[in-house]
Amino acid sequence: QEQLVESGGGLVKPGGSLRLSCAASRFTFRDYYMSWVRQAPGKGLEWVSYISSSGTIKYYADSVKGRFTISRDNAKNSLYLQMNSLRAEDTAVYYCARATIPARPSGMDVWGRGTTVTVSS
Amino acid sequence: SYVLTQPPSVSVAPGKTARITCEGNNIGSKNLHWYQQKSGQAPVLVIDYANDRPSGIPERFTGSNSGNTATLTISGAEAGDEADYYCQVWDSSTDHVLFGGGTKLTVL
Repeated sequence: QEQLVESGGGLVKPGGSLRLSCAASRFTFRDYYMSWVRQAPGKGLEWVSYISSSGTIKYYADSVKGRFTISRDNAKNSLYLQMNSLRAEDTAVYYCARATIPARPSGMDVWGRGTTVTVSS
Repeated sequence: SYVLTQPPSVSVAPGKTARITCEGNNIGSKNLHWYQQKSGQAPVLVIDYANDRPSGIPERFTGSNSGNTATLTISGAEAGDEADYYCQVWDSSTDHVLFGGGTKLTVL
């Protein structure tokens, strides 16, 4: 069964940086758009970013644009999220997820278990 | 900007039918997806493209999408269906994914 495993979360001070990783297995990673979605404590789902299968097209939520960078390494079956200038409101569980349809954004049918990011002094 | 509106909560008796709505301007023209999220777990896609069920999702889960309202229908609700449910679209005008605010389903 397809699997996504996030890592890299932790406690960071406001203004700091963190890099999240997502390791994919049991599917052809290079064929799919991939996404990051976050969920603040007690809140709903919030989309963060999407990246095309080749990595050339990237989309960002307004709340993170200019601070976060999504990337991927298809040779390593890995997705990344570089988070800079972190704020308290970035505190959340961060999920990586796979688009259902290869080659474009769509619904998301495979999700990791998430990694927790806490931004606090 | 485009907004998806869901009721905060819906209650249903065991064995009855629950309907969770998602409202948005001309939402029927958009590709609409539904997720179930149980407490402490990652979301699970339960309805794709308005009315397709991914493998492993019970037939009790169905979807519709027309006009300004999309609906997730859960027939014969079970205690195990208690969860938060989210609708989601891709807004091509902004190249953004949008989620509804979520609906907490209680089976009582």
